[in-house]
Amino acid sequence: NAGVMQNPRHLVRRRGQEARLRCSPMKGHSHVYWYRQLPEEGLKFMVYLQKENIIDESGMPKERFSAEFPKEGPSILRIQQVVRGDSAAYFCASSPVGAESTEAFFGQGTRLTVV
Amino acid sequence: AQSVTQLDSQVPVFEEAPVELRCNYSSSVSVYLFWYVQYPNQGLQLLLKYLSGSTLVKGINGFEAEFNKSQTSFHLRKPSVHISDTAEYFCAVTSTGTYKYIFGTGTRLKVLA
Repeated sequence: NAGVMQNPRHLVRRRGQEARLRCSPMKGHSHVYWYRQLPEEGLKFMVYLQKENIIDESGMPKERFSAEFPKEGPSILRIQQVVRGDSAAYFCASSPVGAESTEAFFGQGTRLTVV
Repeated sequence: AQSVTQLDSQVPVFEEAPVELRCNYSSSVSVYLFWYVQYPNQGLQLLLKYLSGSTLVKGINGFEAEFNKSQTSFHLRKPSVHISDTAEYFCAVTSTGTYKYIFGTGTRLKVLA
């Protein structure tokens, strides 16, 4: 059973471009969470999605950031018109259907560098 | 609201010496506690977790942690560290019925030869 898969592992974008980060949850998991780790900081919750639904996006910046988890395919975190301050590691986690979230499984992260 | 405090941002220690990385949390409900390790430019690897039961939890790579409810602590310990333990360590808390993990700011463990 493969773990949570994130790609790309490293992404470089110029200011003003769009960044798309992908996350495939573990098999059988339909709950996905995105976290952001800014340099020298811990991880901060961004958004929680279930298939085709955003459950909680309280940690998402109000502008330029969006997330989706379609019926088919991976979850996508999209950052439009990136700025240098978006440079960070973005981690995805998943948990099983119907389970109380006592444990989420984390991916390896995508490191976004904005130049 | 839940919070996690990792008091030490950096801990230098000589090889084969013991180490303790401190983690304190605050929560008004029952908690689940985790320690993760992050090697440079790598993802998060789960070291150990406390969900219920025995308050002394053993994890991978010789690490263990003790859940102390009265002191709201979950300190990580290893009796003898190796150079390869050099990494950043994160404490995290969550609780029943919530999906958010609250992470501490991390402790950078540097093992010296």
